[in-house]
Amino acid sequence: GAVVSQHPSWVICKSGTSVKIECRSLDFQATTMFWYRQFPKQSLMLMATSNEGSKATYEQGVEKDKFLINHASLTLSTLTVTSAHPEDSSFYICSARPPSMVAEQFFGPGTRLTVL
Amino acid sequence: GQQLNQSPQSMFIQEGEDVSMNCTSSSIFNTWLWYKQDPGEGPVLLIALYKAGELTSNGRLTAQFGITRKDSFLNISASIPSDVGIYFCAGHFGNEKLTFGTGTRLTIIP
Repeated sequence: GAVVSQHPSWVICKSGTSVKIECRSLDFQATTMFWYRQFPKQSLMLMATSNEGSKATYEQGVEKDKFLINHASLTLSTLTVTSAHPEDSSFYICSARPPSMVAEQFFGPGTRLTVL
Repeated sequence: GQQLNQSPQSMFIQEGEDVSMNCTSSSIFNTWLWYKQDPGEGPVLLIALYKAGELTSNGRLTAQFGITRKDSFLNISASIPSDVGIYFCAGHFGNEKLTFGTGTRLTIIP
């Protein structure tokens, strides 16, 4: 149980284009999902908390107009990187917390974004 | 944001050796989690700890929630090649967010 999927697993795009990443909880409903960013050889950095039916909560320093988050249903959250630039190239990982659990988050496999 | 201090930063061991790593914080947590991340993958939850002093095992893995609630350790016994990866601790207190450690990279020398 507690399986989270992400799509796509990798994407290469041109500078200035927008990229959408999907995160799905496959066997549970998640009112809260989380989006992280990870640079090579570094830990996970939380970007935002995605809440079903309401606005996402962004961490300090994360531009909400650049990283658009939509949590449209209890099993799907999307992250759109708008007007992507090479410095946005990174590994983006989502996670979801089953409603029966207080702390545990289950992670998707990640999406490798490369902006040319 | 805040990160937890993990040590060692990296370990080079031989197959069959035991491994020990720890995680320390300046603030207390109610829950400690240990994750393993393989290259190019998302972290996978290994063990969850809910009470100060709690000792929990998952196969060859054993983790403890420190009495002060500011630290935790993870032991791996009789390491095997598939144990290679990066191990992250994470603490949780009150709000929704997890605070992650800096990671311990485990490499097995052939």
